[in-house]
Amino acid sequence: AQSVSQHNHHVILSEAASLELGCNYSYGGTVNLFWYVQYPGQHLQLLLKYFSGDPLVKGIKGFEAEFIKSKFSFNLRKPSVQWSDTAEYFCAVNIPGNTPLVFGKGTRLSVIA
Amino acid sequence: EAGVAQSPRYKIIEKRQSVAFWCNPISGHATLYWYQQILGQGPKLLIQFQNNGVVDDSQLPKDRFSAERLKGVDSTLKIQPAKLEDSAVYLCASSLRGAGGASFGPGTRLTVT
Repeated sequence: AQSVSQHNHHVILSEAASLELGCNYSYGGTVNLFWYVQYPGQHLQLLLKYFSGDPLVKGIKGFEAEFIKSKFSFNLRKPSVQWSDTAEYFCAVNIPGNTPLVFGKGTRLSVIA
Repeated sequence: EAGVAQSPRYKIIEKRQSVAFWCNPISGHATLYWYQQILGQGPKLLIQFQNNGVVDDSQLPKDRFSAERLKGVDSTLKIQPAKLEDSAVYLCASSLRGAGGASFGPGTRLTVT
């Protein structure tokens, strides 16, 4: 069965700082990879996803993630965070096909002025 | 398009009482999921439906939890009797078959006292 590890429980950054959130998964076969975001009081929203092809994927709001197969990693990055990026970020994986998402425990990002 | 709808948004019950949650997925989405999200953790799958059939209920505590999707559209999740450890947010999600990822509803926050 797949599992997902997110290394940071809570990250605090100043506005304009660069962001990198770690995500590693355990599964030996082909996977789809996702980052979801949950803003305070809102529901989970898809930030970006990787199925195949270019391992560097760009999502909404300036976020990007890089799939490194040899490291089983799918880290999320943003060059310059804003206060509005304060949220909880979840990495998720599923096996291609009609299979459910398996989530990590999430990383809470707090951006301070 | 309209998103995934859930009700109620909040529910407080005493232990040993029963409770039911309702979900209406995005129109045309044949796959429906119920997830449980305990505070500080990522969502955990409870059950997956494909149309009105169960695909995966291996993590559903069947002695107290039940779910149905009788006409392949709306779904209900029931807990009877509730325990303190059932306090969580119950998320409903839906997807097109094989699309990868899922769209999530706002969740129902359950507090068991």
